Amino acid sequence: GENVEQHPSTLSVQEGDSAVIKCTYSDSASNYFPWYKQELGKRPQLIIDIRSNVGEKKDQRIAVTLNKTAKHFSLHITETQPEDSAVYFCAASLPNSGYALNFGKGTSLLVTP
Amino acid sequence: SAVISQKPSRDICQRGTSLTIQCQVDSQVTMMFWYRQQPGQSLTLIATANQGSEATYESGFVIDKFPISRPNLTFSTLTVSNMSPEDSSIYLCSATAGPPGTEAFFGQGTRLTVV
Repeated sequence: GENVEQHPSTLSVQEGDSAVIKCTYSDSASNYFPWYKQELGKRPQLIIDIRSNVGEKKDQRIAVTLNKTAKHFSLHITETQPEDSAVYFCAASLPNSGYALNFGKGTSLLVTP
Repeated sequence: SAVISQKPSRDICQRGTSLTIQCQVDSQVTMMFWYRQQPGQSLTLIATANQGSEATYESGFVIDKFPISRPNLTFSTLTVSNMSPEDSSIYLCSATAGPPGTEAFFGQGTRLTVV
């Protein structure tokens, strides 16, 4: 089945620096790749997503890139702020269920002032 | 967007008993799902809740242990049956209102502790 690998598991950056989180997926039939932010005790919230017909998408300080050939995608956060501290999950759509998601193990991001 | 409400938000249950978790969406949605999240861990898909028919379960999850209902487009239940301490986890309801590749929304989760 689909396997999503996410790295690093923890990431600590100083405020203002950039943060990059990388994910790889196994099934080339996956076509939707969202990123979720989950604060402690809260529900996951979508921050950005990308579809397989697009290579890059940007929303203010957040960008996602997708390399279909290599089957990996990355989240880039620029000018990080303490409020960006949270756990970030990448996900890939399950090929036999175009709606359901297979999640990476998560990256705990800490932004220190 | 869709707002998803889950009940209960948390519970402590005795082993061997069952708990039913309810999920209500404030608008009609295409698909509903149930995920499990161990504290500090990732989300694992349990099943897709199909309206008016049996749920579609992922490998490692079976209907006898996690019966699911979805009587209409906006409501679903997940029952955790014959609970053991290993079932202690956060259970999350999710829904999407559009075609594949549309944002999936999550409920706030049900934190279950089995003692």
